[in-house]
Amino acid sequence: GAVVSQHPSWVICKSGTSVKIECRSLDFQATTMFWYRQFPKQSLMLMATSNEGSKATYEQGVEKDKFLINHASLTLSTLTVTSAHPEDSSFYICSAESGGTGLIAGAPYEQYFGPGTRLTVT
Amino acid sequence: GQNIDQPTEMTATEGAIVQINCTYQTSGFNGLFWYQQHAGEAPTFLSYNVLDGLEEKGRFSSFLSRSKGYSYLLLKELQMKDSASYLCAPMDSNYQLIWGAGTKLIIKP
Repeated sequence: GAVVSQHPSWVICKSGTSVKIECRSLDFQATTMFWYRQFPKQSLMLMATSNEGSKATYEQGVEKDKFLINHASLTLSTLTVTSAHPEDSSFYICSAESGGTGLIAGAPYEQYFGPGTRLTVT
Repeated sequence: GQNIDQPTEMTATEGAIVQINCTYQTSGFNGLFWYQQHAGEAPTFLSYNVLDGLEEKGRFSSFLSRSKGYSYLLLKELQMKDSASYLCAPMDSNYQLIWGAGTKLIIKP
């Protein structure tokens, strides 16, 4: 149980175009979904937190108008990178959080990661 | 502020034992997670500690001391496939995971 899918797994786009990445929790309902970005040899950087039906909360320094997040249902969140530039090239990872599935003993919340999306902007 | 401190890189030999240390400072504490991340892949869950002491799970064990803000991940009988980054991630009072840069573990034959 607790599988999270991400689509696409990799994408190449031209500078100035927009790219949409989907994150789905396949076998559980996610109260919260997170979007991370990771540059080579660096730590995961939290970009935003989204709850179903409400606006996403963005971390400091992350442009909400550039990285549009839509959490349409308890199993689907999307991240749209608008007007992408080469510096947006990175590994984008989503995670879905569930409270109390019991898969992680004692944990108040459990966060499961999607496989990631590698974005290359040319 | 919130801070995670782990060694950047460690090297160990196949079949040996390695201990990866983590010290942390967070605003509140709701347990600590260890994740494994292979290059180019997303993190996968390894262990969770909320009480002091050692949690053993097969070849991997994780230890926590809340008073010292300290945890370690112990890997036994190392295999080549254990070459990866290991991320220590405490959960703060807002139930948010705090991520460090992780420790890159290199296993040599």
